[in-house]
Amino acid sequence: EAQVTQNPRYLITVTGKKLTVTCSQNMNHEYMSWYRQDPGLGLRQIYYSMNVEVTDKGDVPEGYKVSRKEKRNFPLILESPSPNQTSLYFCASNPQQGGRTDTQYFGPGTRLTVL
Amino acid sequence: AQSVTQLGSHVSVSEGALVLLRCNYSSSVPPYLFWYVQYPNQGLQLLLKYTTGATLVKGINGFEAEFKKSETSFHLTKPSAHMSDAAEYFCAVKTAGNKLTFGGGTRVLVKP
Repeated sequence: EAQVTQNPRYLITVTGKKLTVTCSQNMNHEYMSWYRQDPGLGLRQIYYSMNVEVTDKGDVPEGYKVSRKEKRNFPLILESPSPNQTSLYFCASNPQQGGRTDTQYFGPGTRLTVL
Repeated sequence: AQSVTQLGSHVSVSEGALVLLRCNYSSSVPPYLFWYVQYPNQGLQLLLKYTTGATLVKGINGFEAEFKKSETSFHLTKPSAHMSDAAEYFCAVKTAGNKLTFGGGTRVLVKP
């Protein structure tokens, strides 16, 4: 089944404790992206990757890191989480780098709470 | 820069009544427009999209949306609401590359 998977689905952590949220897609998509969802703000893009070893900042990149060493994986790293990063996170993938008409496929989400 | 405004963060409709969710966008280039639905505790699922061609777009679950360039709108409708339509709905626009810019979302409550 074609899908985007994320782990963990739920995470409660404390301020300053490094964490990684994994994202994997099995559709051989070139483009991958991370969003955070906050009430009333919709989804905002954190980082995106056009292909392996190519990443760039989205609208809200502060406090986050990403890497794209393999085409299928795009982990989100919080080196020193803070309470304002408590949010619902979604990973998404798109078939092509510049595919404006392409549908973006979303993972199931990771609910992160930082105490 | 593009932006998306969804009028009404919450909408309540009776089962069988019309569902109308409003979306307006701003964009300096021709936009590609999307509606996504999020059911409780799930990810986002594409309802429909407008890229080029016919401005009335039909999607899944009986939803449709009409692109009106003059009004910079892409409102979502369904003639008769069903209890299973209770969810949050997001309008989004793509202008350059693959970046989606989302509206704030509209949560739909369906009353029996």
